[in-house]
Amino acid sequence: GQQLNQSPQSMFIQEGEDVSMNCTSSSIFNTWLWYKQDPGEGPVLLIALYKAGELTSNGRLTAQFGITRKDSFLNISASIPSDVGIYFCAGQLDGQNFVFGPGTRLSVLP
Amino acid sequence: DAGITQSPRHKVTETGTPVTLRCHQTENHRYMYWYRQDPGHGLRLIHYSYGVKDTDKGEVSDGYSVSRSKTEDFLLTLESATSSQTSVYFCAISSGVGAYGYTFGSGTRLTVV
Repeated sequence: GQQLNQSPQSMFIQEGEDVSMNCTSSSIFNTWLWYKQDPGEGPVLLIALYKAGELTSNGRLTAQFGITRKDSFLNISASIPSDVGIYFCAGQLDGQNFVFGPGTRLSVLP
Repeated sequence: DAGITQSPRHKVTETGTPVTLRCHQTENHRYMYWYRQDPGHGLRLIHYSYGVKDTDKGEVSDGYSVSRSKTEDFLLTLESATSSQTSVYFCAISSGVGAYGYTFGSGTRLTVV
């Protein structure tokens, strides 16, 4: 079946630094989503992308839908302690269920 | 999320016993999903429902069954729990198969001993 890869698997950064992570697939998708999961909670939708090349921001978060439709990127600027969590990407091809990546675990050091 | 609740939040059960997890929504969404989350695997789809009494299997459905007799409730049953089913289970809802994404519940942590 379809599989998504996320990199890095985990990252430790200093508060105030910018963060970049990506999600890749061998299949093309028509929709990309980025979710964040806080400890002990369910994932919460951060950003949705619907068109190849699209760049969308949500506060300090910016995500891009890759031109090839096989990848997506998430950037977080000026990280703060509450950015800690697991970030999941999810891809969908029309009419099918979303496929989720394994997640990138972000730790922010004060 | 206030529109979707899972119960129980935590459960410890013995191998071989049946277990039922409940997902309740107040959003009147048509689609409901059960996922399991395990380290290194992310979220994997167990079963989903596209309407009352309409369900289908996901990628890891073996050992699980589901039922949906009302729009608001989606039950996940482990007929005979095994240690490999120790996991965190998430329910999700969606208004349609499309670009809206899913809203997730807070999860049920199940431990099979």
